[in-house]
Amino acid sequence: TQLLEQSPQFLSIQEGENLTVYCNSSSVFSSLQWYRQEPGEGPVLLVTVVTGGEVKKLKRLTFQFGDARKDSSLHITAAQPGDTGLYLCAGAVAGGTSYGKLTFGQGTILTVHP
Amino acid sequence: DTEVTQTPKHLVMGMTNKKSLKCEQHMGHRAMYWYKQKAKKPPELMFVYSYEKLSINESVPSRFSPECPNSSLLNLHLHALQPEDSALYLCASSSLDRDRTSYEQYFGPGTRLTVT
Repeated sequence: TQLLEQSPQFLSIQEGENLTVYCNSSSVFSSLQWYRQEPGEGPVLLVTVVTGGEVKKLKRLTFQFGDARKDSSLHITAAQPGDTGLYLCAGAVAGGTSYGKLTFGQGTILTVHP
Repeated sequence: DTEVTQTPKHLVMGMTNKKSLKCEQHMGHRAMYWYKQKAKKPPELMFVYSYEKLSINESVPSRFSPECPNSSLLNLHLHALQPEDSALYLCASSSLDRDRTSYEQYFGPGTRLTVT
């Protein structure tokens, strides 16, 4: 059974601060997705990383996949109230009977105060 | 277009009712998923359909019955639910092209289900 440990579980910060969310596992993943979910809505895909060491940037968000493809991080620079939401990491393993299944981290509830 | 639509948005049902949730996507995806999500928790996988055939059932109680009439539609039939089944039910889809996009699941907005 693959597990993704996501931390921190809760994060409450002021507008303009920087933050990092981590996802760690003892298992290797073929890819890792990051989603953001607002209350009452479905998760929205932010990024997919598939190559060890890969770094992707989406405006003020920077995503990194570990060299061994067991961990990932999301860094937000100068957070804004609009960044508030539930952030989920999800890992996928190619092939076999688990094809199509995502292993989700427990989520990080981010609140950015004006 | 990366839109997955779900109806209804909200549903209140009694424990003896029968109702259905509907999901539709027009991205040409051949994998579709049902998830259950409790507040502030990650989604929990219920069912996966690949090429319109049920490929994964995560030991879901039989009061939940999935159906995939065609490659664009996914239904979840509900019967004799319990109050603890109240949750946000999410539908998602993904391609099966065996490239990096096949790991990307696109979610609908969900159906907020309340069982009374």
